[in-house]
Amino acid sequence: RKEVEQDPGPFNVPEGATVAFNCTYSNSASQSFFWYRQDCRKEPKLLMSVYSSGNEDGRFTAQLNRASQYISLLIRDSKLSDSATYLCVVNRNSARQLTFGSGTQLTVLP
Amino acid sequence: GAVVSQHPSWVICKSGTSVKIECRSLDFQATTMFWYRQFPKQSLMLMATSNEGSKATYEQGVEKDKFLINHASLTLSTLTVTSAHPEDSSFYICSARRDRVQAVGELYEQYFGPGTRLTVT
Repeated sequence: RKEVEQDPGPFNVPEGATVAFNCTYSNSASQSFFWYRQDCRKEPKLLMSVYSSGNEDGRFTAQLNRASQYISLLIRDSKLSDSATYLCVVNRNSARQLTFGSGTQLTVLP
Repeated sequence: GAVVSQHPSWVICKSGTSVKIECRSLDFQATTMFWYRQFPKQSLMLMATSNEGSKATYEQGVEKDKFLINHASLTLSTLTVTSAHPEDSSFYICSARRDRVQAVGELYEQYFGPGTRLTVT
């Protein structure tokens, strides 16, 4: 089983739609969780750190369920510029090394 | 967000030569930096953890004598690909870890450099 699993997609949604991504992780000792976005041939950019109570940043909402080892990202009112690959990222150990999911590809259509 | 630079952004070299890649955290100090490699349509794979003032920790399967890492200051880490071969062609990305204490607790966020695209001919 992979350490971090994501649905690879692709998700093709119209502008203005709401889309949700899910992610599961295998290491119950993981402490920190993040969502990154990566555009084609670019580096990953931190989108959100995920707090245990869930958190919201504008159109983006992240949720964490430690019991189920599950993380989600909700994007509301999607924009064309949201098109990217979204990476679910979990810290691996006390050295704060990160383990990346393989990413979920999103395309927002006009 | 924090800013991390990486240089060069792309490089083409001949088989057998060495290439040095620099990673700098521009607006924060990073005691820990990480080096990743990403092949097309694959996720990032951690190569090594670079700690300021000490030896790097390499992931299983990564040759430490081939990928030399130096983290001489709190803002600079370098990766040297020695005796490069075509199979070393890849997208190399560094990240710098910024440690912060917030109301929700300690945060350890990694910020990535723009990457270096290495092509070995």
